[in-house]
Amino acid sequence: DAGVTQSPTHLIKTRGQQVTLRCSPKSGHDTVSWYQQALGQGPQFIFQYYEEEERQRGNFPDRFSGHQFPNYSSELNVNALLLGDSALYLCASSPGQSWGYTFGSGTRLTVV
Amino acid sequence: KNEVEQSPQNLTAQEGEFITINCSYSVGISALHWLQQHPGGGIVSLFMLSSGKKKHGRLIATINIQEKHSSLHITASHPRDSAVYICAVPGSARQLTFGSGTQLTVLP
Repeated sequence: DAGVTQSPTHLIKTRGQQVTLRCSPKSGHDTVSWYQQALGQGPQFIFQYYEEEERQRGNFPDRFSGHQFPNYSSELNVNALLLGDSALYLCASSPGQSWGYTFGSGTRLTVV
Repeated sequence: KNEVEQSPQNLTAQEGEFITINCSYSVGISALHWLQQHPGGGIVSLFMLSSGKKKHGRLIATINIQEKHSSLHITASHPRDSAVYICAVPGSARQLTFGSGTQLTVLP
């Protein structure tokens, strides 16, 4: 049973570009959350998707947007990339109202 | 918003030592998570606990809900335990608030 799958694992983008990161949740999980982890810091909550809707959002600008598909997979989009967006982006899935989370290995984004 | 603090930030131990990492939080919660992150980024959930103590192998997690404090203990530490250990607490919408992590290095 595959856990949470994120793609790509690494990518490099130029300032001002746009990027899309993808996440496939663990089988049986319908809720997907995205987190940004800057180097040396704990992850920060970006937003959470459930039933194809954004249910909760952290303190991130509108340049960060997302989507959840009927199969529960999710995308994170970041527009007008800034150097400060360089980070590890983590996806976590959970089943329904459970407190159990499964994390992906993350996507390392470098903005140059 | 829940504030989560971990200590120490960095910890170096000799193989075989008993290790304790502490986590405190500011707002009452229903459960607390202990997570492990290895170089490269992937996070593994170690424990989710809401009261008392849980044990898995050489890892022990305890929580005191009244004092808003949790500890993670590693007995007979080994170099393969070297990683970042993070505690996290859920918010009202189940989003997690993370501590800044404890970098553990176990020397052979």
